[in-house]
Amino acid sequence: AQSVSQHNHHVILSEAASLELGCNYSYGGTVNLFWYVQYPGQHLQLLLKYFSGDPLVKGIKGFEAEFIKSKFSFNLRKPSVQWSDTAEYFCAVSPSGTYKYIFGTGTRLKVLA
Amino acid sequence: NAGVTQTPKFQVLKTGQSMTLQCAQDMNHEYMSWYRQDPGMGLRLIHYSVGAGITDQGEVPNGYNVSRSTTEDFPLRLLSAAPSQTSVYFCASTPLRGGRSTEAFFGQGTRLTVV
Repeated sequence: AQSVSQHNHHVILSEAASLELGCNYSYGGTVNLFWYVQYPGQHLQLLLKYFSGDPLVKGIKGFEAEFIKSKFSFNLRKPSVQWSDTAEYFCAVSPSGTYKYIFGTGTRLKVLA
Repeated sequence: NAGVTQTPKFQVLKTGQSMTLQCAQDMNHEYMSWYRQDPGMGLRLIHYSVGAGITDQGEVPNGYNVSRSTTEDFPLRLLSAAPSQTSVYFCASTPLRGGRSTEAFFGQGTRLTVV
């Protein structure tokens, strides 16, 4: 069955620390990949997406992610987090040719000021 | 441009009651979907639609009905609410580019409690 794994459920960092959130998926075909962020009490917003081309994609607010096809991974990174990055982060996969999204269970990030 | 609008934002139901969660989008997107978000489980797909008159089941469809009479609206109906349906519900719409999905746009969510 298709699935998305986010191994870090809760992450606590101090401001200016570097961030890397893991995302692995199980699907043998071509996929579109996404990272969404949900700030407290708000809806999901797109951080970045990968469809094809350069496997290193840059998103909003200084976030970036790298698609490593051989590892079925799409990890999210940020060199220096801010208190305002406190949120829940979801990785999502959409197999090409379908319109469905498969979401990971989310990672709650807390950044200490 | 309002995007995806969900109503109500909060709702408390008694077990056995029925209700409809409304979702409307003004972006002329073909694909619309409903998810429920539960702690530690991420978002799970309930139902989806690829256009007016076409709906299909997602991962967790039991206890929910949908219809899509227009491109803009995609209501989710709970026929007989159960405590297990206590959750946060998100509606999303997605434009289809050449038949391929792109990014989904989410509504603000409806927090539903069934007592």
